[in-house]
Amino acid sequence: KAGVTQTPRYLIKTRGQQVTLSCSPISGHRSVSWYQQTPGQGLQFLFEYFSETQRNKGNFPGRFSGRQFSNSRSEMNVSTLELGDSALYLCASSTTPGGNYGYTFGSGTRLTVV
Amino acid sequence: SQQGEEDPQALSIQEGENATMNCSYKTSINNLQWYRQNSGRGLVHLILIRSNEREKHSGRLRVTLDTSKKSSSLLITASRAADTASYFCATDAETTDSWGKLQFGAGTQVVVTP
Repeated sequence: KAGVTQTPRYLIKTRGQQVTLSCSPISGHRSVSWYQQTPGQGLQFLFEYFSETQRNKGNFPGRFSGRQFSNSRSEMNVSTLELGDSALYLCASSTTPGGNYGYTFGSGTRLTVV
Repeated sequence: SQQGEEDPQALSIQEGENATMNCSYKTSINNLQWYRQNSGRGLVHLILIRSNEREKHSGRLRVTLDTSKKSSSLLITASRAADTASYFCATDAETTDSWGKLQFGAGTQVVVTP
């Protein structure tokens, strides 16, 4: 079966712009999580959604937001981009909320802010 | 701050040798998970060990968990060049505000040379 699909793979944006990243989970997976990975901070949790509800949120400013649709697809949005937002953004899906059975990750979207 | 700390930061071995990496964490957990990442791509789930388990095997992988010491180890036996990757431990903490939030260590970079 198809894995977790993230689009686009690469993105270059200018400071001050906004960006929307998309994630399609594995069919049947209703939980979607987002992580930011940078060389300095490592992997940091952004948020988790289950059945269109945000269940948890990490310590990121309000410029970072997300949502989940009824088909479990998820998007995350970053407004007023800063240079420090340059990172690999990873989406992960699971059958249940929480981390009880592990997650399947997508290949990520690499965002570069110039 | 990151929940898990991994040791060593980097490991260089030859094909056929065993690779061992360790992970320490700070708070009580529901489970601990190990992931592999190749060259900044997505994470691949390797193994999940629950807090009431002490050892788990999957193919050439062996994971141990010592909750009294808040530590885990990952052993890769008979390593291959294809095992070259970064390995991350991630904890699913046992607190309500950690719902769905994996906390990752900084990772161990493993290089296996032919």
